[in-house]
Amino acid sequence: QLQLQESGPGLVKPSETLSLTCSVSGGSISSSSYYWGWIRQPPGKGLEWIGSIYYTGNPQYSPSLKSRVTISVDTSKNQFSLNLSSVTAADTAVYYCTRDKKDYYALGSYGADYWGQGTLVTVSS
Amino acid sequence: EIVLTQSPGTLSLSPGERATLSCRASQSVASTYFAWYQQKPGQAPRLLIYSASTRATDIPDRFSGSGSGTDFTLTISRLEPEDFAVYYCQQYGSSRQATFGQGTKVEIK
Repeated sequence: QLQLQESGPGLVKPSETLSLTCSVSGGSISSSSYYWGWIRQPPGKGLEWIGSIYYTGNPQYSPSLKSRVTISVDTSKNQFSLNLSSVTAADTAVYYCTRDKKDYYALGSYGADYWGQGTLVTVSS
Repeated sequence: EIVLTQSPGTLSLSPGERATLSCRASQSVASTYFAWYQQKPGQAPRLLIYSASTRATDIPDRFSGSGSGTDFTLTISRLEPEDFAVYYCQQYGSSRQATFGQGTKVEIK
């Protein structure tokens, strides 16, 4: 059974960089069938797509976060990571990592079929 | 960026009733890349429907999806107590840019 587990600091100071890692177990991140993504949810609010990456690289980001986000993949560790720079209180949220089923013939995705449990990151001094 | 607008914001229904949730896109979306999720309090979302109308693994057949272009619908034929939750639509097209709707809460009347 595939499992995704987010890890990283639960508290980040304003203007600093939020860094999270998603560890994948029960399956290989080096699969041609999936993207690996990040989604966040501020307390009491809806879901926001942050971005995703393929196992060979080539990340894609939300236009609203693109200037501050970096997603990377480490196939040797079966992990992928999220860095979000210059954080403010508006970046306080539960951050989820996901596995997104990729269309074999095109670049789109059918959706996130596996999710981590989520990790709350609070931005505060 | 494609904007998804869900309606209504809240749906108040009784167990056994039919729920109809709507999601409208600001521009045409490929049905192949349109999905619905269910989220219960304190839990991660769960994929319900992908490719607009295909149920994900282990999703009961009381859930069905339909639509194309800019208008999509999630129908729950007979609400069970465990179906009261928040539902989100998502598109994830060939541009590899994904967006979510703002959610519809289905609450017990």
